[in-house]
Amino acid sequence: QQQVKQSPQSLIVQKGGISIINCAYENTAFDYFPWYQQFPGKGPALLIAIRPDVSEKKEGRFTISFNKSAKQFSLHIMDSQPGDSATYFCAASMRDTGRRALTFGSGTRLQVQP
Amino acid sequence: DAGVIQSPRHEVTEMGQEVTLRCKPISGHDYLFWYRQTMMRGLELLIYFNNNVPIDDSGMPEDRFSAKMPNASFSTLKIQPSEPRDSAVYFCASSEQGYNEQFFGPGTRLTVL
Repeated sequence: QQQVKQSPQSLIVQKGGISIINCAYENTAFDYFPWYQQFPGKGPALLIAIRPDVSEKKEGRFTISFNKSAKQFSLHIMDSQPGDSATYFCAASMRDTGRRALTFGSGTRLQVQP
Repeated sequence: DAGVIQSPRHEVTEMGQEVTLRCKPISGHDYLFWYRQTMMRGLELLIYFNNNVPIDDSGMPEDRFSAKMPNASFSTLKIQPSEPRDSAVYFCASSEQGYNEQFFGPGTRLTVL
């Protein structure tokens, strides 16, 4: 029940295109859903996050869509740029019930071609 | 602030040796997390502390692994004895009470021969 499933494993998008990464979870106690971006040789860095009381959150070119009934959430990267090429991880935690640790998805390697 | 600091950045050791990884969290952060990243298992939690007290160590693989946080500015993760399957990148992260974001360090790449 702690698992977060992420797809696709890898993604190739042309510059200017839309990148879409999907995640699904089972545990309804999760109440915080962040996306992390990781470049080679670096630690993950928070990109954007959402709580289950909203269905969408947008920050610049990055949007999270959240479907509570389906227990799914997705990351959309609009106008994808070569600099967005990285590995993206979805995650979930149970902040309000005390378990602050993140459960990560398996990661998506995004390559944006110029 | 310098962010989360980890040392060493790279460690190569032989099977059976003791390995100690170190972490300095961001000043003022109340939570400290140790994660491990491998190709097979992805990013997984090992243990986390709140106000220097271990809260959840369910991810610690076995008794060969131990973690301590003697004060608010320092934590160690020790592996004794090390095995080749412990080869991974170990990340330390910290966060502040009342905030969700976890700030990750650059990681320690451990290779056990």
